[in-house]
Amino acid sequence: AQSVTQLDSQVPVFEEAPVELRCNYSSSVSVYLFWYVQYPNQGLQLLLKYLSGSTLVKGINGFEAEFNKSQTSFHLRKPSVHISDTAEYFCAVTNNFNKFYFGSGTKLNVKP
Amino acid sequence: GAGVSQSPSNKVTEKGKDVELRCDPISGHTALYWYRQSLGQGLEFLIYFQGNSAPDKSGLPSDRFSAERTGGSVSTLTIQRTQQEDSAVYLCASSLGPGSSYNEQFFGPGTRLTVL
Repeated sequence: AQSVTQLDSQVPVFEEAPVELRCNYSSSVSVYLFWYVQYPNQGLQLLLKYLSGSTLVKGINGFEAEFNKSQTSFHLRKPSVHISDTAEYFCAVTNNFNKFYFGSGTKLNVKP
Repeated sequence: GAGVSQSPSNKVTEKGKDVELRCDPISGHTALYWYRQSLGQGLEFLIYFQGNSAPDKSGLPSDRFSAERTGGSVSTLTIQRTQQEDSAVYLCASSLGPGSSYNEQFFGPGTRLTVL
């Protein structure tokens, strides 16, 4: 079975500071990895995905993530956050696009 | 175009009653997923439909939960004899399904279920 761990339930950060949201997964087979964002009172949106190829993937709004197979991680980063990045971020994994496993989410709170 | 829609947006029910939650996927999307998001937790996979294939029901937590998808489009998630632990946000997502370069999931706004 697969699982996803997001160790940080909340991450407070000041505006224009860098941020990293951590995601680790467990799987015995090849995986596809995703980050979704949920803005307040809105539905989930895809932020970025890793399917194959380059391990550094870039997404919307200046976010990027790096797939590290040896560490089974897919951490999300942004060099300079904005107030508008305040949201909850979910990491997800699948190996067949039938069943997706999501982490418990990380609430990013960007302070002025 | 229209996104995934779900109804009702909020549902309050009494313990022991049955509820039905509806999902209208994006037109042309053959894959449909149901998830449950409990307070402070991530999304929990419930069920997956792909075209006319038998659904993957492996995530349904008990036999009180069932889902159907009529005509390959609209889906209904039914919870019988609701319990307080069923209180959560139920999310539906749809995607183009196999055959596309990547079948990204598009999520609906969810139905918030409260069982008193």
